[in-house]
Amino acid sequence: GAVVSQHPSWVICKSGTSVKIECRSLDFQATTMFWYRQFPKQSLMLMATSNEGSKATYEQGVEKDKFLINHASLTLSTLTVTSAHPEDSSFYICSGRGPYEQYFGPGTRLTVT
Amino acid sequence: TQLLEQSPQFLSIQEGENLTVYCNSSSVFSSLQWYRQEPGEGPVLLVTVVTGGEVKKLKRLTFQFGDARKDSSLHITAAQPGDTGLYLCAGVEAGGTSYGKLTFGQGTILTVHP
Repeated sequence: GAVVSQHPSWVICKSGTSVKIECRSLDFQATTMFWYRQFPKQSLMLMATSNEGSKATYEQGVEKDKFLINHASLTLSTLTVTSAHPEDSSFYICSGRGPYEQYFGPGTRLTVT
Repeated sequence: TQLLEQSPQFLSIQEGENLTVYCNSSSVFSSLQWYRQEPGEGPVLLVTVVTGGEVKKLKRLTFQFGDARKDSSLHITAAQPGDTGLYLCAGVEAGGTSYGKLTFGQGTILTVHP
């Protein structure tokens, strides 16, 4: 299957700082990418849908000014958590929409201290 | 209200037992996927079902899509400790213009004891 990578795989940052997470589709072009967050032992919650060259569509309750998404190319989408707080600590997963299915990245563990 | 109701949320069984996980909705889905996720990793696709009444088998795993495409089930025969993990159902709503947006169920944490 197609491969999606995320970088970094884990990050620890101080409260008030910003963190950028990259999501890359390595062997296919992803016009659409999705960003999810997941708390321990829970399911994935969709945060936003990212389309290349246009503004992201955020799910209800997700602050677009806090979670900045940029999808500048067909193989790269970034999620920036601005002014991070401990409650933003979570597992962030991206996926790229391929021709037949969504391909998920390995996730990024964010810990805000 | 959860669009996809997945049950049970937790399942702890002994090796060799059978189990079934259910995914139900009042909405119609154009396709439904089942994923398995290990801690600290992304979900891995097990199967996609698209046709009402469809049954797919993957070794000891049997997946069924309801006739009305509103529900699905995952049955595991003779569970093994290696089956332990988080199982997720997810679907694409029929008729939507959502760029293939997946709606996930709550997940089922399966633990198989040796």
